[in-house]
Amino acid sequence: QKEVEQDPGPLSVPEGAIVSLNCTYSNSAFQYFMWYRQYSRKGPELLMYTYSSGNKEDGRFTAQVDKSSKYISLFIRDSQPSDSATYLCAMEGAQKLVFGQGTRLTINP
Amino acid sequence: DAGITQSPRHKVTETGTPVTLRCHQTENHRYMYWYRQDPGHGLRLIHYSYGVKDTDKGEVSDGYSVSRSKTEDFLLTLESATSSQTSVYFCAISESGDRNTGELFFGEGSRLTVL
Repeated sequence: QKEVEQDPGPLSVPEGAIVSLNCTYSNSAFQYFMWYRQYSRKGPELLMYTYSSGNKEDGRFTAQVDKSSKYISLFIRDSQPSDSATYLCAMEGAQKLVFGQGTRLTINP
Repeated sequence: DAGITQSPRHKVTETGTPVTLRCHQTENHRYMYWYRQDPGHGLRLIHYSYGVKDTDKGEVSDGYSVSRSKTEDFLLTLESATSSQTSVYFCAISESGDRNTGELFFGEGSRLTVL
């Protein structure tokens, strides 16, 4: 079993929809939770970073962490075609950083 | 954009040949990393460096070696390339090795095909 599980998609939604991207994990040592965005043929870039359970909001993006369920989510409100990318969750703890395999998201105009 | 340049960006080679990928940074960051990205596996750490001539293995280091003779350059070498090493390789840098901010800065990737 992988330490971090992420549905690879692909996920296709219409413009303006609310998007929910999710990851589950098994290692309770993970303390820091991140979302990276990767455009086609580019390197990943950090989008959101959270520590501990709860929500963190940045514009149209909300990152949610539920440590008791070992579940993290990224919500995108009012999705735009420019949000089309692959989203990777990442988790760090016990001196290791583990990435999910990424979810490919397409926002259709 | 973080000043990270990877070369070559694309390479096709044959099984058994040596291959070297180069990562060059202009940020003077101490930590440098090599990842590979494959469908179904996400990003996996190959090797990393925490200073000039200081390197360590990641989770998928077999068949790879690295060298860092200058702060700005981190080389990844495949001594004898195999088809299983066909992948996209990303170099990343960070200021802090504990990565508590999670902020790795990635290059644009080097796409390697081993025939």
